[in-house]
Amino acid sequence: GENVEQHPSTLSVQEGDSAVIKCTYSDSASNYFPWYKQELGKGPQLIIDIRSNVGEKKDQRIAVTLNKTAKHFSLHITETQPEDSAVYFCAAASGGSYIPTFGRGTSLIVHP
Amino acid sequence: NAGVTQTPKFRVLKTGQSMTLLCAQDMNHEYMYWYRQDPGMGLRLIHYSVGEGTTAKGEVPDGYNVSRLKKQNFLLGLESAAPSQTSVYFCASSRSYGDRGQALHFGNGTRLTVT
Repeated sequence: GENVEQHPSTLSVQEGDSAVIKCTYSDSASNYFPWYKQELGKGPQLIIDIRSNVGEKKDQRIAVTLNKTAKHFSLHITETQPEDSAVYFCAAASGGSYIPTFGRGTSLIVHP
Repeated sequence: NAGVTQTPKFRVLKTGQSMTLLCAQDMNHEYMYWYRQDPGMGLRLIHYSVGEGTTAKGEVPDGYNVSRLKKQNFLLGLESAAPSQTSVYFCASSRSYGDRGQALHFGNGTRLTVT
């Protein structure tokens, strides 16, 4: 089955800095890569996703890149704000089942 | 439009007791899921359903049962609770996949403690 590794487990930045979270996956058939943000006491919420036919996708301060050859994908957050503080999960899903396998999460802390 | 609603929000059980967690969605989604979240372990899939009357095992199904008698509801049962089942449980739903992945919509979780 699919295995998703996520790094780092904790990331601390100053407000205004950029933050990068990296994930690798094992199943070359995976073709859907969502990112979820989980605020304290709430369920995860989709913030951006990318499909295997696209190398990069941006949405305001958030961007995701995908390297299919290396089986890497990353989340980039620019101009971080305190409200970006949360746990972020990457996931990978392959054609057929499309059931996502999640990484273990990254706790992002943005210091004012 | 409430999205995905989980009840209860908190529960404490003694070892050996049973309980049912209820998940309801009002988005007419075909697929529903139960995950557990433990510190440092991410989200692990317990069971899922691809439509009314169907269920399937996920990554960590032992000790749990599920039922999907109505499209909008997905129940997770613990027949004989164990301390290892202390966790936060999340229900999620999504549209059917067709030929592409779809975003999951999560509830706000049930925090279960088994003593």
